[in-house]
Amino acid sequence: KQEVTQIPAALSVPEGENLVLNCSFTDSAIYNLQWFRQDPGKGLTSLLLIQSSQREQTSGRLNASLDKSSGRSTLYIAASQPGDSATYLCALTSGTYKYIFGTGTRLKVLA
Amino acid sequence: NAGVTQTPKFQVLKTGQSMTLQCAQDMNHNSMYWYRQDPGMGLRLIYYSASEGTTDKGEVPNGYNVSRLNKREFSLRLESAAPSQTSVYFCASRYQVNTEAFFGQGTRLTVV
Repeated sequence: KQEVTQIPAALSVPEGENLVLNCSFTDSAIYNLQWFRQDPGKGLTSLLLIQSSQREQTSGRLNASLDKSSGRSTLYIAASQPGDSATYLCALTSGTYKYIFGTGTRLKVLA
Repeated sequence: NAGVTQTPKFQVLKTGQSMTLQCAQDMNHNSMYWYRQDPGMGLRLIYYSASEGTTDKGEVPNGYNVSRLNKREFSLRLESAAPSQTSVYFCASRYQVNTEAFFGQGTRLTVV
């Protein structure tokens, strides 16, 4: 059974820091992995999608990497800003086309 | 562009009542999903429909039923609501397994 873990559960950093969020999974047979952002009381906004054949994807200050052999993806946020404060979730597709989420990392960027 | 639309946005039910949560997408997506989100537990998959005409159980299907009415619509039914079903429910869709998923804004359900 695929299990997806995000550590740490919460993170506070000062503005301007570069930071890394982690997503670990137990079964490397995945189709893709997607990173989302969720603001309090809101829905999910897609950030990046990495296919199983790709190593990384970039969008602005965000860079996501994927290492299937180690069961890990990281989301790198450069020069963090208070507006980046949100919960970040990873989700992946494996096996019977199920789309499974991690528990999320709650990020607070302090001004 | 409407994207994924969920109705209602808020609902309060009494224990034992039934209701249906509606989800519709206008992006010609093949796959649709229902999740529940509880504090500290992320999003858990209830049911999904890989394509029109098919539905499958997710991680937490007990107490729920679904209907893929057509390609656009995927509904979630609670036959006899319980307080444990108090949660925020999200619907999602995507064109195929290797494409982005899009989410609705959620339905906040309280069962008293």
